[in-house]
Amino acid sequence: GENVEQHPSTLSVQEGDSAVIKCTYSDSASNYFPWYKQELGKRPQLIIDIRSNVGEKKDQRIAVTLNKTAKHFSLHITETQPEDSAVYFCAASKGYNFNKFYFGSGTKLNVKP
Amino acid sequence: NAGVMQNPRHLVRRRGQEARLRCSPMKGHSHVYWYRQLPEEGLKFMVYLQKENIIDESGMPKERFSAEFPKEGPSILRIQQVVRGDSAAYFCASSPSGQGINSPLHFGNGTRLTVT
Repeated sequence: GENVEQHPSTLSVQEGDSAVIKCTYSDSASNYFPWYKQELGKRPQLIIDIRSNVGEKKDQRIAVTLNKTAKHFSLHITETQPEDSAVYFCAASKGYNFNKFYFGSGTKLNVKP
Repeated sequence: NAGVMQNPRHLVRRRGQEARLRCSPMKGHSHVYWYRQLPEEGLKFMVYLQKENIIDESGMPKERFSAEFPKEGPSILRIQQVVRGDSAAYFCASSPSGQGINSPLHFGNGTRLTVT
Protein backbone atom coordinates (compact mmCIF):
# COMPACT_ATOMS: atom_id res chain seq x y z
CA GLY A 1 0.00 0.00 0.00
CA GLU A 2 0.90 3.66 -0.11
CA ASN A 3 3.20 5.19 2.50
CA VAL A 4 3.32 8.95 2.94
CA GLU A 5 6.11 10.51 4.99
CA GLN A 6 6.07 14.13 6.07
CA HIS A 7 8.85 16.39 7.37
CA PRO A 8 9.49 18.23 9.55
CA SER A 9 7.17 17.28 12.40
CA THR A 10 7.48 20.77 13.88
CA LEU A 11 8.49 24.02 12.24
CA SER A 12 8.95 27.40 13.85
CA VAL A 13 9.39 30.52 11.73
CA GLN A 14 9.37 34.25 12.26
CA GLU A 15 6.41 36.19 10.93
CA GLY A 16 7.10 37.21 7.35
CA ASP A 17 9.47 34.34 6.65
CA SER A 18 8.69 31.41 4.36
CA ALA A 19 7.79 27.90 5.49
CA VAL A 20 8.33 24.71 3.53
CA ILE A 21 6.85 21.31 4.36
CA LYS A 22 7.87 18.22 2.42
CA CYS A 23 6.18 14.90 1.77
CA THR A 24 7.26 11.76 -0.04
CA TYR A 25 5.08 8.93 -1.25
CA SER A 26 5.86 5.38 -2.25
CA ASP A 27 3.22 4.39 -4.81
CA SER A 28 3.96 5.78 -8.26
CA ALA A 29 0.27 5.28 -9.16
CA SER A 30 -0.78 8.05 -6.73
CA ASN A 31 -2.07 10.93 -8.78
CA TYR A 32 -3.75 13.42 -6.45
CA PHE A 33 -2.15 15.30 -3.57
CA PRO A 34 -4.19 17.57 -1.28
CA TRP A 35 -2.94 19.58 1.68
CA TYR A 36 -5.01 20.19 4.79
CA LYS A 37 -4.71 22.71 7.59
CA GLN A 38 -6.00 21.83 11.04
CA GLU A 39 -6.29 24.43 13.77
CA LEU A 40 -6.42 23.31 17.36
CA GLY A 41 -9.67 21.50 18.14
CA LYS A 42 -11.03 21.97 14.63
CA ARG A 43 -11.53 19.90 11.52
CA PRO A 44 -8.93 19.53 8.78
CA GLN A 45 -9.63 21.96 5.95
CA LEU A 46 -8.38 21.69 2.39
CA ILE A 47 -6.05 24.56 1.51
CA ILE A 48 -4.60 23.52 -1.83
CA ASP A 49 -4.30 20.42 -3.99
CA ILE A 50 -2.37 19.29 -7.04
CA ARG A 51 -2.90 16.58 -9.61
CA SER A 52 -0.17 14.52 -11.17
CA ASN A 53 -0.39 16.19 -14.56
CA VAL A 54 0.76 19.49 -13.03
CA GLY A 55 4.15 20.38 -11.55
CA GLU A 56 3.23 23.46 -9.56
CA LYS A 57 0.15 25.28 -8.35
CA LYS A 58 -0.13 28.59 -6.55
CA ASP A 59 -2.88 30.30 -4.62
CA GLN A 60 -1.87 33.67 -3.18
CA ARG A 61 0.72 32.96 -0.44
CA ILE A 62 0.46 29.20 -0.78
CA ALA A 63 2.08 27.04 -3.44
CA VAL A 64 2.54 23.32 -3.93
CA THR A 65 5.15 21.63 -6.10
CA LEU A 66 5.17 18.04 -7.29
CA ASN A 67 8.10 15.96 -8.53
CA LYS A 68 6.65 12.72 -9.88
CA THR A 69 10.01 11.21 -10.70
CA ALA A 70 11.29 11.63 -7.17
CA LYS A 71 7.83 11.01 -5.70
CA HIS A 72 7.78 14.03 -3.49
CA PHE A 73 5.66 17.12 -3.12
CA SER A 74 6.03 20.23 -1.02
CA LEU A 75 3.92 22.98 0.48
CA HIS A 76 5.35 26.50 0.42
CA ILE A 77 3.89 29.33 2.49
CA THR A 78 5.36 32.77 1.88
CA GLU A 79 5.06 35.88 4.07
CA THR A 80 3.84 33.79 6.97
CA GLN A 81 1.40 35.28 9.45
CA PRO A 82 0.50 34.20 13.02
CA GLU A 83 -2.83 32.88 11.75
CA ASP A 84 -0.91 30.37 9.62
CA SER A 85 0.00 28.59 12.85
CA ALA A 86 -1.65 25.16 12.71
CA VAL A 87 -0.95 21.53 11.90
CA TYR A 88 -0.59 20.81 8.20
CA PHE A 89 -1.22 17.39 6.67
CA CYS A 90 -0.28 16.17 3.23
CA ALA A 91 -2.12 13.29 1.57
CA ALA A 92 -1.86 11.08 -1.49
CA SER A 93 -4.60 9.32 -3.39
CA LYS A 94 -4.75 7.14 -6.48
CA GLY A 95 -8.41 6.34 -6.74
CA TYR A 96 -10.70 6.45 -9.66
CA ASN A 97 -13.76 4.59 -8.52
CA PHE A 98 -12.41 4.22 -5.05
CA ASN A 99 -10.77 7.27 -3.64
CA LYS A 100 -8.66 6.17 -0.68
CA PHE A 101 -6.43 8.79 0.92
CA TYR A 102 -3.18 8.24 2.79
CA PHE A 103 -2.12 11.02 5.16
CA GLY A 104 1.27 12.15 6.37
CA SER A 105 1.86 12.43 10.10
CA GLY A 106 1.48 16.21 10.16
CA THR A 107 3.68 19.27 10.64
CA LYS A 108 3.01 21.65 13.49
CA LEU A 109 3.79 25.14 12.20
CA ASN A 110 4.36 27.94 14.68
CA VAL A 111 4.65 31.45 13.31
CA LYS A 112 6.18 33.77 15.87
CA PRO A 113 5.01 37.39 15.75
CA ASN B 1 -24.97 23.95 1.23
CA ALA B 2 -24.40 22.27 4.57
CA GLY B 3 -21.05 20.63 5.05
CA VAL B 4 -20.36 17.23 6.56
CA MET B 5 -22.40 16.95 9.74
CA GLN B 6 -21.23 14.87 12.65
CA ASN B 7 -22.93 14.29 15.95
CA PRO B 8 -22.49 14.33 18.75
CA ARG B 9 -19.55 16.75 18.99
CA HIS B 10 -18.55 15.32 22.36
CA LEU B 11 -19.37 11.91 23.74
CA VAL B 12 -18.48 10.54 27.13
CA ARG B 13 -18.80 6.84 27.78
CA ARG B 14 -17.81 4.59 30.65
CA ARG B 15 -15.69 1.55 29.96
CA GLY B 16 -17.81 -1.28 28.58
CA GLN B 17 -20.53 0.94 27.13
CA GLU B 18 -21.29 1.39 23.45
CA ALA B 19 -20.51 4.51 21.44
CA ARG B 20 -22.43 5.47 18.30
CA LEU B 21 -21.05 8.22 16.10
CA ARG B 22 -23.10 9.63 13.26
CA CYS B 23 -22.10 11.30 10.03
CA SER B 24 -24.19 12.87 7.29
CA PRO B 25 -22.13 13.58 4.17
CA MET B 26 -22.32 16.73 2.13
CA LYS B 27 -25.27 16.92 -0.23
CA GLY B 28 -24.48 15.02 -3.39
CA HIS B 29 -21.65 13.04 -1.82
CA SER B 30 -21.95 9.28 -1.78
CA HIS B 31 -18.55 8.30 -0.36
CA VAL B 32 -17.91 8.41 3.39
CA TYR B 33 -14.65 7.90 5.24
CA TRP B 34 -13.94 7.57 8.94
CA TYR B 35 -10.60 8.62 10.44
CA ARG B 36 -9.34 8.48 13.99
CA GLN B 37 -7.02 11.08 15.47
CA LEU B 38 -5.26 10.65 18.77
CA PRO B 39 -4.04 13.81 20.56
CA GLU B 40 -0.97 15.30 18.87
CA GLU B 41 -1.11 12.66 16.14
CA GLY B 42 -2.14 12.34 12.51
CA LEU B 43 -5.26 11.03 10.82
CA LYS B 44 -5.50 7.26 10.75
CA PHE B 45 -7.76 5.73 8.14
CA MET B 46 -10.41 3.40 9.51
CA VAL B 47 -13.06 2.63 6.90
CA TYR B 48 -14.37 3.77 3.53
CA LEU B 49 -18.03 3.28 2.61
CA GLN B 50 -20.49 3.92 -0.13
CA LYS B 51 -24.23 3.61 0.31
CA GLU B 52 -24.98 0.08 1.58
CA ASN B 53 -21.45 -1.03 0.81
CA ILE B 54 -18.16 -1.20 2.73
CA ILE B 55 -15.38 -0.54 0.23
CA ASP B 56 -12.35 -0.77 2.51
CA GLU B 57 -12.25 -1.48 6.23
CA SER B 58 -8.55 -2.30 6.43
CA GLY B 59 -7.94 0.38 9.08
CA MET B 60 -10.64 -0.73 11.44
CA PRO B 61 -9.91 -2.98 14.43
CA LYS B 62 -11.36 -6.44 13.84
CA GLU B 63 -13.21 -6.51 17.13
CA ARG B 64 -15.68 -4.11 18.70
CA PHE B 65 -15.72 -1.67 15.76
CA SER B 66 -18.25 -1.64 12.95
CA ALA B 67 -19.47 0.87 10.39
CA GLU B 68 -22.43 1.18 8.10
CA PHE B 69 -23.84 3.61 5.57
CA PRO B 70 -27.46 2.64 4.93
CA LYS B 71 -29.52 3.60 1.93
CA GLU B 72 -31.37 6.11 4.07
CA GLY B 73 -29.85 8.04 6.94
CA PRO B 74 -26.39 8.85 8.18
CA SER B 75 -23.30 6.70 8.34
CA ILE B 76 -22.78 5.16 11.77
CA LEU B 77 -19.50 4.21 13.40
CA ARG B 78 -20.20 1.89 16.28
CA ILE B 79 -17.77 0.97 19.03
CA GLN B 80 -18.87 -1.73 21.40
CA GLN B 81 -17.51 -2.25 24.92
CA VAL B 82 -15.37 0.87 24.77
CA VAL B 83 -11.98 0.98 26.48
CA ARG B 84 -9.85 3.96 27.53
CA GLY B 85 -7.68 3.53 24.43
CA ASP B 86 -10.69 4.34 22.24
CA SER B 87 -10.60 7.94 23.49
CA ALA B 88 -9.84 10.05 20.43
CA ALA B 89 -11.34 12.42 17.90
CA TYR B 90 -13.22 10.60 15.17
CA PHE B 91 -13.53 12.50 11.91
CA CYS B 92 -15.88 11.70 9.11
CA ALA B 93 -15.18 12.92 5.60
CA SER B 94 -17.10 12.70 2.37
CA SER B 95 -16.38 13.06 -1.32
CA PRO B 96 -18.52 12.97 -4.43
CA SER B 97 -18.64 9.94 -6.64
CA GLY B 98 -17.11 10.12 -10.07
CA GLN B 99 -15.18 7.74 -12.18
CA GLY B 100 -11.84 9.01 -13.34
CA ILE B 101 -11.99 11.96 -10.97
CA ASN B 102 -10.09 12.45 -7.77
CA SER B 103 -11.93 14.76 -5.44
CA PRO B 104 -10.80 16.19 -2.10
CA LEU B 105 -12.18 15.00 1.17
CA HIS B 106 -14.44 17.36 3.08
CA PHE B 107 -14.24 16.78 6.81
CA GLY B 108 -16.84 17.16 9.51
CA ASN B 109 -16.08 18.80 12.85
CA GLY B 110 -15.42 15.45 14.47
CA THR B 111 -16.73 13.62 17.50
CA ARG B 112 -14.49 13.71 20.53
CA LEU B 113 -14.97 10.48 22.42
CA THR B 114 -13.84 10.28 26.01
CA VAL B 115 -13.93 6.95 27.80
CA THR B 116 -13.85 7.20 31.57
